Amino acid sequence: GDSVTQTEGLVTLTEGLPVMLNCTYQTIYSNPFLFWYVQHLNESPRLLLKSFTDNKRTEHQGFHATLHKSSSSFHLQKSSAQLSDSALYYCALTSGGNYKPTFGKGTSLVVHP
Amino acid sequence: AQTIHQWPVAEIKAVGSPLSLGCTIKGKSSPNLYWYWQATGGTLQQLFYSITVGQVESVVQLNLSASRPKDDQFILSTEKLLLSHSGFYLCAWSPGLGDYAEQFFGPGTRLTVL
Repeated sequence: GDSVTQTEGLVTLTEGLPVMLNCTYQTIYSNPFLFWYVQHLNESPRLLLKSFTDNKRTEHQGFHATLHKSSSSFHLQKSSAQLSDSALYYCALTSGGNYKPTFGKGTSLVVHP
Repeated sequence: AQTIHQWPVAEIKAVGSPLSLGCTIKGKSSPNLYWYWQATGGTLQQLFYSITVGQVESVVQLNLSASRPKDDQFILSTEKLLLSHSGFYLCAWSPGLGDYAEQFFGPGTRLTVL
């Protein structure tokens, strides 16, 4: 079945430094859809980015990601981390008309002053 | 606009007692519905999903069951709570449009089992 692998566990950054959270996936289908969700403390997850177009950069709220089918990757990046970016980030995949998305285990990002 | 409502907001229950959590989606017909569980400080765990009334697929059961009695309603329940059931329960919906549809999460129910 499908699988999603994210940067493990906790990523700690100093404010102002760049953010990169890794996401790679496996699927037998050639047209995967990739998503990044963000969950702030005591809140529900919400969509941050999504893409299904190969090699096209998608951006939202200062974050960006590019789906690279050749490397099965959809890394999340931001040029300069802010304290408010501290949250749990999930990468997710749907493919092949499957109604059940596959989520990665999540990466906790902590940004400190 | 679509809205998703979960009830109760929070619950404190005794081990061995029954539980019923609910989720209602308004403003969207025939949504795909999902239940997730998140341990405190933990990661999202899919539990169940449903693409139509009366049909529920189990992903991970955790001694829980789910039902979809109406198009806009999804219920999570158990007859006997365990300590390990404590956590944050999230209901989510997505349009029945296939792969490109994102998930919209409800506000969640925080469950403490003592």
